[in-house]
Amino acid sequence: AQKVTQAQTEISVVEKEDVTLDCVYETRDTTYYLFWYKQPPSGELVFLIRRNSFDEQNEISGRYSWNFQKSTSSFNFTITASQVVDSAVYFCALSDPSGGYQKVTFGTGTKLQVIP
Amino acid sequence: IAGITQAPTSQILAAGRRMTLRCTQDMRHNAMYWYRQDLGLGLRLIHYSNTAGTTGKGEVPDGYSVSRANTDDFPLTLASAVPSQTSVYFCASSDTWDADTQYFGPGTRLTVL
Repeated sequence: AQKVTQAQTEISVVEKEDVTLDCVYETRDTTYYLFWYKQPPSGELVFLIRRNSFDEQNEISGRYSWNFQKSTSSFNFTITASQVVDSAVYFCALSDPSGGYQKVTFGTGTKLQVIP
Repeated sequence: IAGITQAPTSQILAAGRRMTLRCTQDMRHNAMYWYRQDLGLGLRLIHYSNTAGTTGKGEVPDGYSVSRANTDDFPLTLASAVPSQTSVYFCASSDTWDADTQYFGPGTRLTVL
């Protein structure tokens, strides 16, 4: 069965610090997809990244970077030089064929607070 | 382009009442979804629709029903609301159902008393 674990419930950092949000997943399939979403205090869910299981290259987008390691079933998200606007709840999610690709499983989220 | 709209934004409902949450997308996406978000539980899939005319059950379907008469609309109905259905409800859509990126609406905050 598919499962996503975000062990960090809440993290507080001071502005300009780097912060890594952990995501560990479980799946029996070799083909699967991983996602990160951001939920700012306003409540909407904002898509950040989608990664398939065959692409293990790390990805960087501005201050955001993602480290995908199949060997440890992790898909961690790092924010460099954090800013107050990064304060939000971040969700990691998994989609695999055993659950039906449409049945995306979300982690419970990590609440990030960036203190000015 | 509005993307996904949901109505109402929030609602307080007496237990036992019937309620329909509306969701409309203008992206011509084939697949649509309903999730509920509860503190500490993340988002859980209620129902989904791969394409107009088809629907399927998600992780927590009991007490909810959906229909997909056309591409754009995907209403969620609570036939007889109970307090445990107090939650924030998100509608989402994706171009295809095949692990495609899902885009979310702004949510409906529902309180059942």
